[in-house]
Amino acid sequence: DGGITQSPKYLFRKEGQNVTLSCEQNLNHDAMYWYRQDPGQGLRLIYYSQIVNDFQKGDIAEGYSVSREKKESFPLTVTSAQKNPTAFYLCASSRGRDEKLFFGSGTQLSVL
Amino acid sequence: AQKVTQAQTEISVVEKEDVTLDCVYETRDTTYYLFWYKQPPSGELVFLIRRNSFDEQNEISGRYSWNFQKSTSSFNFTITASQVVDSAVYFCALSVDTGTASKLTFGTGTRLQVTL
Repeated sequence: DGGITQSPKYLFRKEGQNVTLSCEQNLNHDAMYWYRQDPGQGLRLIYYSQIVNDFQKGDIAEGYSVSREKKESFPLTVTSAQKNPTAFYLCASSRGRDEKLFFGSGTQLSVL
Repeated sequence: AQKVTQAQTEISVVEKEDVTLDCVYETRDTTYYLFWYKQPPSGELVFLIRRNSFDEQNEISGRYSWNFQKSTSSFNFTITASQVVDSAVYFCALSVDTGTASKLTFGTGTRLQVTL
């Protein structure tokens, strides 16, 4: 089945630790995205990538980093600089501009 | 800057009632796209509809219908004869023209609870 796979489903971060969230898609989409969801705040864009080896900051990029070495993969690293990382993280992809986004099932990140 | 407002935080209805979810957007662009997504308890967002700014025709899909009015910058979503399976959080979103990507600005969502 074509789709987006996020792992792990649940992740715990210790103080000062970097953690990486995985996102893989087999839809052959060029564009990929990371959103953060906090209760009552909707989804906010962290980073997006339009093509391999290229990515742009979204609205809340501070404390996060990404890479796009392969078309299928867009991992997100939550660094120790992100002081409030507890949230639900959603990865998405699209064929291109103004197209609908396909979402993964999300990763819930919590701080120990 | 773009903005999407969903003023209804939470709505509760009894099964078979009709319910309308409101969405108001702000943008200076003349070309844009509007979307509705459903987020069931599982967490994954499910696409419902995409509408471009030049098409103001109302859309009906089964029990779902959408009313797009540019004059009031609104894109409201109505569920007719609601069912328990409709219980979810519903998001309205606006597409910003950003190169070759589909950079969506989301509203804060409306939680719909349908009870028996």
